[in-house]
Amino acid sequence: AQSVAQPEDQVNVAEGNPLTVKCTYSVSGNPYLFWYVQYPNRGLQFLLKYITGDNLVKGSYGFEAEFNKSQTSFHLKKPSALVSDSALYFCAVTPEGLTGGGNKLTFGTGTQLKVEL
Amino acid sequence: NAGVTQTPKFRVLKTGQSMTLLCAQDMNHEYMYWYRQDPGMGLRLIHYSVGEGTTAKGEVPDGYNVSRLKKQNFLLGLESAAPSQTSVYFCASSYLASGGSYEQYFGPGTRLTVT
Repeated sequence: AQSVAQPEDQVNVAEGNPLTVKCTYSVSGNPYLFWYVQYPNRGLQFLLKYITGDNLVKGSYGFEAEFNKSQTSFHLKKPSALVSDSALYFCAVTPEGLTGGGNKLTFGTGTQLKVEL
Repeated sequence: NAGVTQTPKFRVLKTGQSMTLLCAQDMNHEYMYWYRQDPGMGLRLIHYSVGEGTTAKGEVPDGYNVSRLKKQNFLLGLESAAPSQTSVYFCASSYLASGGSYEQYFGPGTRLTVT
């Protein structure tokens, strides 16, 4: 069975500083990895994904994530945080390939990012 | 495009009452999903559908039923609501994106309270 760990419930960072939100995963075979963001009282929005290829993936709003197969990690990063980045961030995983049963994502428990002036 | 919409946005039920949550998508997606979100537990899959007329159980299906009579709609039913079903419910839909991955698009959520 697949699983995702987001070890930090909350990450605090000052505006303008770099941010990292951590994610590690467990899956049989190669992973497909996703990051989603949730603003208050809203649904989840897709940020970026890793399928194959370059280990550094760039996504929406200046976010990027680095896939590290040996460490089974997919940390979300941004070089310069904005107050408007404050939100709840979810990492998700599914095994590579079509299972015939859709793309059943397994989500982490979420990390609350707080960016302060 | 409206994307994924959910009806209603809020609902309060008494224990034992029933209700149906409606999810609609206008993106012609094949796959649809129902999740519940609880504090500290992330999103957990309740049921999903890989096409019109087909449904399957997810991680936490007990106490819920679903139907996908039309491709664009996915209904979630609670036959006899329990306080443990107090949660925020999200619907999502997906398609086959480049590279063989399915990006999921989420609705705004339904906040359900069972008293």
